Amino acid sequence: GESVGLHLPTLSVQEGDNSIINCAYSNSASDYFIWYKQESGKGPQFIIDIRSNMDKRQGQRVTVLLNKTVKHLSLQIAATQPGDSAVYFCARGGGSYIPTFGRGTSLIVHP
Amino acid sequence: DARVTQTPRHKVTEMGQEVTMRCQPILGHNTVFWYRQTMMQGLELLAYFRNRAPLDDSGMPKDRFSAEMPDATLATLKIQPSEPRDSAVYFCASGFEEGFELFFGEGSRLTVL
Repeated sequence: GESVGLHLPTLSVQEGDNSIINCAYSNSASDYFIWYKQESGKGPQFIIDIRSNMDKRQGQRVTVLLNKTVKHLSLQIAATQPGDSAVYFCARGGGSYIPTFGRGTSLIVHP
Repeated sequence: DARVTQTPRHKVTEMGQEVTMRCQPILGHNTVFWYRQTMMQGLELLAYFRNRAPLDDSGMPKDRFSAEMPDATLATLKIQPSEPRDSAVYFCASGFEEGFELFFGEGSRLTVL
């Protein structure tokens, strides 16, 4: 079956460094993905999405890269700040897909 | 500022008691989802509705859990009887369509003693 999974449960970085959170998927039927950020004590919030006709999408300090050949996507955060500390989820979207999230990757930013 | 509202935010109860969690989705959204989050399992889908009709509750223990949408402004998740293993944070989320951006509530943290 189709699955969307994050590579690492925890990522630790120093403030000011760039962070890269990776995600792999197994089914190419619909290449549309959404990244969510969950801060402590809150629900997940939309950060950015990317569609199958794109390889890259940029937001404010965040960049999503989609590699359809190897079924891999990544979320890059530039100049990571303490406020970026959170759990990050990638979720498959589009069509009739029901978003599934898993455990996510916990990003810890050290001052 | 439209948002998904969940009540209660925190609930401590004893094993065997009934627990009801409520969610007010964002006005105009036609899909509503219930998720459960634990450290071990992460964020798991329990049930979802489209236009108030239940479409998938395969992730929910049927013998004790039930989810309903009495009207478009209210979704409920009920556990009867509750067990310690039900302790988790329960999230409600709503959206315009399946597969697209979800808007999550702040969650209901349930502790069953």
